[in-house]
Amino acid sequence: DSGVTQTPKHLITATGQRVTLRCSPRSGDLSVYWYQQSLDQGLQFLIHYYNGEERAKGNILERFSAQQFPDLHSELNLSSLELGDSALYFCASSVKDSRLPQETQYFGPGTRLLVL
Amino acid sequence: AQKVTQAQTEISVVEKEDVTLDCVYETRDTTYYLFWYKQPPSGELVFLIRRNSFDEQNEISGRYSWNFQKSTSSFNFTITASQVVDSAVYFCALSGYNQGGKLIFGQGTELSVKP
Repeated sequence: DSGVTQTPKHLITATGQRVTLRCSPRSGDLSVYWYQQSLDQGLQFLIHYYNGEERAKGNILERFSAQQFPDLHSELNLSSLELGDSALYFCASSVKDSRLPQETQYFGPGTRLLVL
Repeated sequence: AQKVTQAQTEISVVEKEDVTLDCVYETRDTTYYLFWYKQPPSGELVFLIRRNSFDEQNEISGRYSWNFQKSTSSFNFTITASQVVDSAVYFCALSGYNQGGKLIFGQGTELSVKP
C-alpha cells in the first residue's frame, strides 16, 4: 500500500457526461501528479500540482481540468467524455516540489474509467 | 526530447530462470533520474527503484538487481531465480532535471513466469 488513495476504483459512464476523480496524497506529500494509462498511448503524464499550484502540464486535453485543494487532495475533472477517454487514471504523490531534486512518485491504485 | 524504450514487449520464462528487462533512454539533460515500476495483474503501480544520473553504482535488492550504464544510456533490470509472483508488467521511467516532475514511461515489458 503506497498510502495514496483514489476514489472511485471503477467508473462507468456514457459519452458526453462529466466525471470527477479524487486523489488523496500520502501524509506529508505536497505534490500530486495525474497520469492516464491507455492501451494505445501507454502511461502519459497529465498534470502536476504542488501545494495548490499548477507546476507542469503534459498531454492533458482541454476537456480535462484538475485542482489541488488546501487539504492537498486533488480532483481530476473529465467532461464531454468520449469513448477514447476510457483508461486507467493514476494519481501519484511525492514529498515536495519535484523540479529539483526529483522525488520518487508513489502511485495510487488508479481509477478505471469506462465510457460507453 | 526525452524518450524511454523497452524493446521487449513480452518475455516468458520458467520459474527459477534469471531474466533481464532492457531499458534504453534518451535525454539532453545532464542531470536526470531513472525509475522502475512494477504493475501486477491487480493494476497498481509499485515503485521498485530510483537512480540518479550522477550515481552509476549498480544496486542489488534481494533477487533484484539493476545495471545503470551511462555510456550506453541503459538501465537494465535483472530478476534472479524468478518466481510466479514476479509475473507483471514492468515499466522503466525517466525524469529530467527541469521537467516539472514529469515521468516519461517506456511501453512496458510484460513478464510471465510459468511454474
